[in-house]
Amino acid sequence: EAQVTQNPRYLITVTGKKLTVTCSQNMNHEYMSWYRQDPGLGLRQIYYSMNVEVTDKGDVPEGYKVSRKEKRNFPLILESPSPNQTSLYFCASGPRGNEKLFFGSGTQLSVL
Amino acid sequence: GNSVTQMEGPVTLSEEAFLTINCTYTATGYPSLFWYVQYPGEGLQLLLKATKADDKGSNKGFEATYRKETTSFHLEKGSVQVSDSAVYFCALGRQNFVFGPGTRLSVLP
Repeated sequence: EAQVTQNPRYLITVTGKKLTVTCSQNMNHEYMSWYRQDPGLGLRQIYYSMNVEVTDKGDVPEGYKVSRKEKRNFPLILESPSPNQTSLYFCASGPRGNEKLFFGSGTQLSVL
Repeated sequence: GNSVTQMEGPVTLSEEAFLTINCTYTATGYPSLFWYVQYPGEGLQLLLKATKADDKGSNKGFEATYRKETTSFHLEKGSVQVSDSAVYFCALGRQNFVFGPGTRLSVLP
């Protein structure tokens, strides 16, 4: 089944403790992207990747890192999480940046 | 840069009412345009899309027409149902995707 898989679904952590949210797609898509969704602020893009080893900043990249070493994986790394990074995170992938996006189920992160 | 503006709502309608959610965009070149829907507790899923001017996307009774002259892609449905209650996002895709802020729709029985 074609899908975008994010893990974990829920995560509670403490300030400063490094964490990684994984994202994997099985559709051989070139384009992958991370978003955060906060009440009243809609969907904001964190980072995106047009292909392997190619990543670019979105609207809100501060405090986040990504890597794209393989086509299928696009992990989101928070080196030193802070409470303002408490949010609902979505990973998405698509054949290219102008075609249909497939979304993961989301990761609800709470930073205490 | 590219951007999308949409009415933010919330929008509350009675069942069988007519729905319009406005969306306008700013973009260089000729982007593809999309409407995504997010049901409570779920991720976003594609509702409809249009890839060039004057194209009409349609799905599940929803329609939107790509209007290059007015840079708009308004979402319409003739008769909404309670099950249409969700958040609707307008988006454009060029080399990168850009989403609007989302419009929450509540349909009352």
